[in-house]
Amino acid sequence: GNSVTQMEGPVTLSEEAFLTINCTYTATGYPSLFWYVQYPGEGLQLLLKATKADDKGSNKGFEATYRKETTSFHLEKGSVQVSDSAVYFCALRTNNNAGNMLTFGGGTRLMVKP
Amino acid sequence: DTGVSQNPRHKITKRGQNVTFRCDPISEHNRLYWYRQTLGQGPEFLTYFQNEAQLEKSRLLSDRFSAERPKGSFSTLEIQRTEQGDSAMYLCASSLALGGNIQYFGAGTRLSVL
Repeated sequence: GNSVTQMEGPVTLSEEAFLTINCTYTATGYPSLFWYVQYPGEGLQLLLKATKADDKGSNKGFEATYRKETTSFHLEKGSVQVSDSAVYFCALRTNNNAGNMLTFGGGTRLMVKP
Repeated sequence: DTGVSQNPRHKITKRGQNVTFRCDPISEHNRLYWYRQTLGQGPEFLTYFQNEAQLEKSRLLSDRFSAERPKGSFSTLEIQRTEQGDSAMYLCASSLALGGNIQYFGAGTRLSVL
């Protein structure tokens, strides 16, 4: 079956620090990979995506590269801000079922201190 | 605002009572998904509609759960004879089958069963 494993949080960083949140996956077929972010009291928002091996997704200074050889999709940002404090979810979607539902990791809480 | 809307945002009920949640998807989105998220975990897929047809259900969806999307627009999720283990955040997402099938999430309905 499909599964996603993320590093456990919380991750606490000072403003302008470098961020890495690890994500590895197991899937049948060739999945598309996603990072979603959940701010307090809000729904999940798509942060970035990659649909095939070696693709790099990027948005708002965040980046993640689809690494098929290591089955990974680590999230990185060069300089975090207090406003980046949120919970980050890695997810995959395979195309071998009609619904294309998402399989999520457990989430990683990021806390950025001024 | 044309995002995914969920009502109510919070629901407190006593064990054994029935509850119903509503989801209004983004206009023209033909796919609608329900997920459940327990505290500290990632969302888990429950069920999925394409237009008015319920095409897939997770094993998590016990007989006490029923979902409908009668006219292919809004959807309802009903839980009968609620149990304390049903306490969770219930998330709705919608997407277009074409154009990458990106899922957009609502803010969720938080259910507390006392």
